[in-house]
Order: sequence, then C-alpha cells, then structure tokens
Amino acid sequence: EAGVAQSPRYKIIEKRQSVAFWCNPISGHATLYWYQQILGQGPKLLIQFQNNGVVDDSQLPKDRFSAERLKGVDSTLKIQPAKLEDSAVYLCASSKGQGALETQYFGPGTRLLVL
Amino acid sequence: DQQVKQNSPSLSVQEGRISILNCDYTNSMFDYFLWYKKYPAEGPTFLISISSIKDKNEDGRFTVFLNKSAKHLSLHIVPSQPGDSAVYFCAASGGSNYKLTFGKGTLLTVNP
Repeated sequence: EAGVAQSPRYKIIEKRQSVAFWCNPISGHATLYWYQQILGQGPKLLIQFQNNGVVDDSQLPKDRFSAERLKGVDSTLKIQPAKLEDSAVYLCASSKGQGALETQYFGPGTRLLVL
Repeated sequence: DQQVKQNSPSLSVQEGRISILNCDYTNSMFDYFLWYKKYPAEGPTFLISISSIKDKNEDGRFTVFLNKSAKHLSLHIVPSQPGDSAVYFCAASGGSNYKLTFGKGTLLTVNP
C-alpha cells in the first residue's frame, strides 16, 4: 500500500512570495490533515478535511493560508504572502475516518524556508 | 499554553537497556494518548496508544503507562536497540474534538 505522498520536499522562497504544497493521501482515506511543525516543536494541526469538507480550521491563519480538497482526494495548501515565521515543515496526514482511534499516517513533509 | 509537555529534549541510553520517555498533560478532557516515532526527513509514524480506561498497554518491546491522577504517561522500550534512535512525540486527544495535540518531542539516542 502506497503511503501519503507530498511534494515538493523542499522549497525556498522570499518573504511576501506565495507557495503551494500538494498532498496525495492513502487510497480510501476519507480524512486528511495538514500540520505545521516549526523547528523544536511538535506538529500543530492547521486544517482537517473529511472528504472534501472542512472539519476544523481553527488554527489556520486564514489571512494568508488556504487549503482545498476539491474532489475529496488530493489536497493543496497555499501560503500567500509568506512571512519569515512560516519557515517550518508542513506535514500531510490521512486516516480512514475521524475519531481518536483512527491512526493517522503521515507523509514525509515539505520543508519550507522563507528568506 | 502547552497542554502536552515532554520536558526532556533528549535521552541517551545503552543498547540492551531500558529507555523511559515521559510526557505530562494538563487538559483533563484528554482521554486518548499516543506515541509517534520520527526519523530524520520522514513523517511521524504511529507507535502505540492507550485509552484513559487503561493504565498500561504493551506491544512487543514497547509499553505505555498512564497515570491519570498525575496526568502523566511514559513509554518504556525494553530492550533498547540502535534502530530505536529517533524523536518520540507524545500526543493526546479528547472530548468532542478528536484533534491531536503533540508535545515537543524527545530525541532518543541508543548507543551500541
């Protein structure tokens, strides 16, 4: 079974530029998550989708971050415009369903550096 | 306000010995706890979990203990192997919100 795929793996941009990350979850997984992991911190949930609907985006900085999962499969996360403090690893995860007992499977992440 | 705390940034043990990683939480609504393991340049992978109705869960060399009154859990690895060297994250969820809250992680180094 293929795991969660993410691209690109690395991205360097200047502040105020825009950037987009792509995630392809495990086949059949209805729930998709985007996390931000700043160096020295644990992952922080940005947004959670159930199929193509948003379940939780309470920690998403909506003035600059947006995410979509139009067909309930792939997802993109966009930052526009980027700030220095957005430098982090962006992790995508998926699970079969919602709920605490549903194991989340993580992709390798996209490492973003904002200069 | 950190609701899940891993106060030891790093831990070093000898191969064959026991590794004990600790985690404290402050939110009384948490009722499900997980440990994830992360190698460099990879995403976290699920290791073991425990529900608040239990005080111990064991899976091979890995055992998680939960002390609800102290709001403390620990992960025991016996015997430790060099391949166990990784960052270990404690995570918790609870209430109507299934969102995972992660600690900062502990870097475990197992020396041959």
